[in-house]
Amino acid sequence: AQSVAQPEDQVNVAEGNPLTVKCTYSVSGNPYLFWYVQYPNRGLQFLLKYITGDNLVKGSYGFEAEFNKSQTSFHLKKPSALVSDSALYFCAVRDKGYSTLTFGKGTMLLVSP
Amino acid sequence: DARVTQTPRHKVTEMGQEVTMRCQPILGHNTVFWYRQTMMQGLELLAYFRNRAPLDDSGMPKDRFSAEMPDATLATLKIQPSEPRDSAVYFCASGLVRGNEQFFGPGTRLTVL
Repeated sequence: AQSVAQPEDQVNVAEGNPLTVKCTYSVSGNPYLFWYVQYPNRGLQFLLKYITGDNLVKGSYGFEAEFNKSQTSFHLKKPSALVSDSALYFCAVRDKGYSTLTFGKGTMLLVSP
Repeated sequence: DARVTQTPRHKVTEMGQEVTMRCQPILGHNTVFWYRQTMMQGLELLAYFRNRAPLDDSGMPKDRFSAEMPDATLATLKIQPSEPRDSAVYFCASGLVRGNEQFFGPGTRLTVL
């Protein structure tokens, strides 16, 4: 079985400061890892993914994520937060042997001016 | 700009009524997913289709929910009879079997009174 944990319900950060949204995962094989963002009253939008290769993955809107196999983590990061980054962020995992994604509960990111 | 479309965007109905939600996947995509999002449960996978065939509907209450793909351009999710606990936002997503990302529609917000 595959699972994802997002330990923080909410992350607060001031505009201009770096941000980190945490994600840990559990799979039986090699993981495919994803981050999605959801703005109010919208569907989920794909941000970035890790399939193989470099552990640091760059995605949309200046976001990046670091895959750490030993810690089974895939934390989302951004060097300088914007107020417009405020949204709900979902981490998702897919075991190579599965066809479907398992999503975390989501982390609300609030960036204050 | 290819995107997943869902209709209706909002639906208010009374308990016991039939509800039908429709999804048009991105042209050329051969996988379709139905999800339900609630505050309590987060994002739950209800059904998964590949090449129009249902592969996984284990997350769906079988007694009242049904999902079909009459053709490659239409996926439907029906609830009959609807109950207040079905109130949620229902998302459709599509993708490619050999791809990894899922592309989400804007969702149908269902309220059952």
